[in-house]
This record gives sequence, C-alpha cells and structure tokens, in this order.
Amino acid sequence: AQSVTQLGSHVSVSEGALVLLRCNYSSSVPPYLFWYVQYPNQGLQLLLKYTTGATLVKGINGFEAEFKKSETSFHLTKPSAHMSDAAEYFCAGAAYGNKLVFGAGTILRVKS
Amino acid sequence: DTGVSQNPRHKITKRGQNVTFRCDPISEHNRLYWYRQTLGQGPEFLTYFQNEAQLEKSRLLSDRFSAERPKGSFSTLEIQRTEQGDSAMYLCASSLRLGADTQYFGPGTRLTVL
Repeated sequence: AQSVTQLGSHVSVSEGALVLLRCNYSSSVPPYLFWYVQYPNQGLQLLLKYTTGATLVKGINGFEAEFKKSETSFHLTKPSAHMSDAAEYFCAGAAYGNKLVFGAGTILRVKS
Repeated sequence: DTGVSQNPRHKITKRGQNVTFRCDPISEHNRLYWYRQTLGQGPEFLTYFQNEAQLEKSRLLSDRFSAERPKGSFSTLEIQRTEQGDSAMYLCASSLRLGADTQYFGPGTRLTVL
C-alpha cells in the first residue's frame, strides 16, 4: 500500500530564510507526487506536481521540489520565505493517477 | 472556469440526523473525488466517480454514507444517522482526465455533529 510521510508537523522560519518541508513516500510503483497548500478555511491549492521526466519540479510562488527515487523523497523548498507563505502544506502521492494519499501535513510559520 | 464549489460551507447537526452535501465540479471534468479531513490530519480518500459511475469506495465509507453523481455532473454525499465521529471537513475535487491530472479542490463543507 502506498503511504506518504511528512517529517515535522510544525516548521518555523524567519522571513527571508530557506523553507524546507520534508516528504517521503512508500510505493511499490513509481508514484505521481504532489504538494498542496491549504490556507485557513479554504480548500487545497496545487503548488506543484511530479509525474515523469525532470526530477526538479518548479511550482507557483517560488516553490520547487526534487524527486529523489533513491531516497524515496520529494522535499519542498523555497529560497526565501515570505509572510504570505504561512499555511499548512500537504504532500500527496497517487498511483496511476487515481486517489490521492496525503501526508499528515506541515504547518509553516514565518516569523518577521 | 469557476472552480469547484461546495454547499453548504458549514453544517451543524444533532447526532442521529441525516445530512447531504453538494459538490459542483469544474465543468467538463469527468472525474470527481470526495475526501474527508479531520483536525490535524491530511485528507483521506472516500470515493470517486468517472462520469456517473462510482468506481471506488474506501472502507472509511460505512453503510451510513452514500454518494451519487447523477448525469455525471454535480455530486451529493449523504450521511445518515450522523455520529459525533463524522465531524470533519468534507472536500470535493475534480479532474479532467485519467493519469496524473491535477485534482482541483473545492473549499470544503465543515460538518459539526453535536
């Protein structure tokens, strides 16, 4: 069965600092991988996704993630945090593009 | 493209009552998904439709839950005889095609069972 693990339920960074949110997946088949962001009382918005091809994926709002098969990881990064990045972030995987399996989420706090 | 809409946004009900939620997907999206999200957790898959056909149901979807998508357009999720454990955010998503196509999520319906 496929599973997704996000390391760290809360991450706190200073404005302008590097953002690193960790995600590891477990799958018997190469998965499709996604990062979503959720602001309070809102639905999930796609940041980026990996399907096939280039392992470094660029998304919206300056975020990017690198698929590393050898490490079964898909960590999300942003070089410089902005106050507006404060939200909850979810990593998700899908085998054959069907139902998404989500991690438990990481709440990002940005300090001024 | 007006996005995925869900109604109502909030529902408070008493234990034992029935509730129904509606999801309107992005037009022409033939796949529609339902997820449930409890506090501090990521969304969990409940069920999905390809047009009007319900193709998969999670074991989380007990006999008290039923979902429909008549005519392959909007979908409804009904919970009968609600229990306090049903309190959660119910999210709907839609996608255009098979494969790794992006699922677009609605704002969710927050259910509180008293």
